[in-house]
Amino acid sequence: AQTVTQSQPEMSVQEAETVTLSCTYDTSESDYYLFWYKQPPSRQMILVIRQEAYKQQNATENRFSVNFQKAAKSFSLKISDSQLGDAAMYFCAYRRFRSGANSKLTFGKGITLSVRP
Amino acid sequence: GAVVSQHPSWVICKSGTSVKIECRSLDFQATTMFWYRQFPKQSLMLMATSNEGSKATYEQGVEKDKFLINHASLTLSTLTVTSAHPEDSSFYICSANKNTEAFFGQGTRLTVV
Repeated sequence: AQTVTQSQPEMSVQEAETVTLSCTYDTSESDYYLFWYKQPPSRQMILVIRQEAYKQQNATENRFSVNFQKAAKSFSLKISDSQLGDAAMYFCAYRRFRSGANSKLTFGKGITLSVRP
Repeated sequence: GAVVSQHPSWVICKSGTSVKIECRSLDFQATTMFWYRQFPKQSLMLMATSNEGSKATYEQGVEKDKFLINHASLTLSTLTVTSAHPEDSSFYICSANKNTEAFFGQGTRLTVV
């Protein structure tokens, strides 16, 4: 079974600074998807970024980028130029590649990010 | 992007009554939907996988008779919390997959008094 580990329960960053959120996972599969989701106080789950394991290039979405280390099974999220609106809970998630509509996500425990003005 | 709508967004009910939560995929068909429970400051815990036209698949430890799931159409799944008690108070979230991406409902905050 796949597992996702987020060992840091909380982090804080100064506005405009950069912060990195850590995530490791365990799987015996070679192809899969990895995701970072944001859950703000509204509790609506928002997809931040996704990475296909077969792609060597790290995914980037504006201020958000990942450091995907497949051999180390590590998938960290870097937030650049942090904004107050980035304050939220962030979840790392795994999904099998050969997925259909019935493929479920495996979530980490999440990390609460606060942004200091 | 695709939209998943969940209703109601919050509900307060008396202990012993049943509550139904709806999850709709508004612009795509979802043969499978997922129901999660989330406690404050914790992760999403998968409760069950809802399958259109067939029985739901429940995760270990989830009471099937307590949390009834019905997936009657390709766009609607319902979760009914039967004979609710205060310990059932929680935040419930549904999701559905479109291609390789999961889309989440807004969540339902259930309070049992």
